[in-house]
Amino acid sequence: ELKVEQNPLFLSMQEGKNYTIYCNYSTTSDRLYWYRQDPGKSLESLFVLLSNGAVKQEGRLMASLDTKARLSTLHITAAVHDLSATYFCAVEKLQGAQKLVFGQGTRLTINP
Amino acid sequence: DVKVTQSSRYLVKRTGEKVFLECVQDMDHENMFWYRQDPGLGLRLIYFSYDVKMKEKGDIPEGYSVSREKKERFSLILESASTNQTSMYLCASSPPVATDTQYFGPGTRLTVL
Repeated sequence: ELKVEQNPLFLSMQEGKNYTIYCNYSTTSDRLYWYRQDPGKSLESLFVLLSNGAVKQEGRLMASLDTKARLSTLHITAAVHDLSATYFCAVEKLQGAQKLVFGQGTRLTINP
Repeated sequence: DVKVTQSSRYLVKRTGEKVFLECVQDMDHENMFWYRQDPGLGLRLIYFSYDVKMKEKGDIPEGYSVSREKKERFSLILESASTNQTSMYLCASSPPVATDTQYFGPGTRLTVL
């Protein structure tokens, strides 16, 4: 059974600092998705990682995928308050089926 | 822009009532999904559909059913609502290209009293 675990679950950091959110999963998959959710809002797609070694960057966020280690990271560079949100990773359970298993989410709070 | 809409943002129902949650997407997507979101558990897949009149169980289908009579509309049905079905329900859609992401609706917060 595929299990997806994120850590940390809660992260409070100061503006200008760097940090990384980790997403570990338990069975083989080479498709991983990152989403952002603002309070009271729905999920917004951030990145789709489709192969081992994939790296994608958008602004201060960079995501990477290591399928051999079953690990994805979401790195935040020089954090700003607007990045405060809950971040979810999701792993495709069966290739091509888009059946996703989500992590618990990481609630990120960035303080001025 | 892909738009996924859900019939209600907030819904309050009583135990034993039949509840319909509706989801409509306007991008002609083949795939549609229903999730529930609970604190500390992330999102869990209830049901999904690859095409009209097709449905498959997700990870937590017990107590739910679905209907997809038209391509753009996917309904989640709680035949007899129970208090443990109090949750946020999110609908999503995606094109058949497996490399694309899922697009989510705004969610329905359902409270069962």
